[in-house]
Amino acid sequence: GAVVSQHPSWVICKSGTSVKIECRSLDFQATTMFWYRQFPKQSLMLMATSNEGSKATYEQGVEKDKFLINHASLTLSTLTVTSAHPEDSSFYICSARDWSMDTEAFFGQGTRLTVV
Amino acid sequence: DAKTTQPPSMDCAEGRAANLPCNHSTISGNEYVYWYRQIHSQGPQYIIHGLKNNETNEMASLIITEDRKSSTLILPHATLRDTAVYYCIAYSGNTPLVFGKGTRLSVIA
Repeated sequence: GAVVSQHPSWVICKSGTSVKIECRSLDFQATTMFWYRQFPKQSLMLMATSNEGSKATYEQGVEKDKFLINHASLTLSTLTVTSAHPEDSSFYICSARDWSMDTEAFFGQGTRLTVV
Repeated sequence: DAKTTQPPSMDCAEGRAANLPCNHSTISGNEYVYWYRQIHSQGPQYIIHGLKNNETNEMASLIITEDRKSSTLILPHATLRDTAVYYCIAYSGNTPLVFGKGTRLSVIA
């Protein structure tokens, strides 16, 4: 089945630095990918919708200048957490769907970000 | 907001069937019922989905009531590896998946 790969699986960074997370669709083209954030013991919260070749659509309350999304190709979307702070520590998960095949959405393995 | 409601937690003995209920009384006619699960510190894993008819695959069975206001996910022989949070989602396919709080299933030896 279709696979979505996320990298890195975990990252520790210093407060004030930026971190980039990659999401790749390995065997299908994804014109749209989704980014979620999950805090401990909570459900996944949609952050933004990433559209290939155009600007991302952010959910209410998500700062677009802090969470930069780039979807430069049909198989890669990146989320950059800029000027990270400890409260940005979370589990970030991407999702993609092969719209041409009308399949279910597939999820990456997730990235555990810890800001110290 | 999620359009589904699920019990927060359930226990199941290993080897027994796990029956996870989900209410979706406001589901639209074009929305499918999707089930995903999330094992600790991993991304969600697709299990099964259906529109009106009952569905079965190698992982589970999905029973949808005739009025489509509720459904039940059945894991026929639960194992310890089935311990996870299970999410029931009403989804039409042209929007992102919206996750509710899910049901935390604990399979007990």
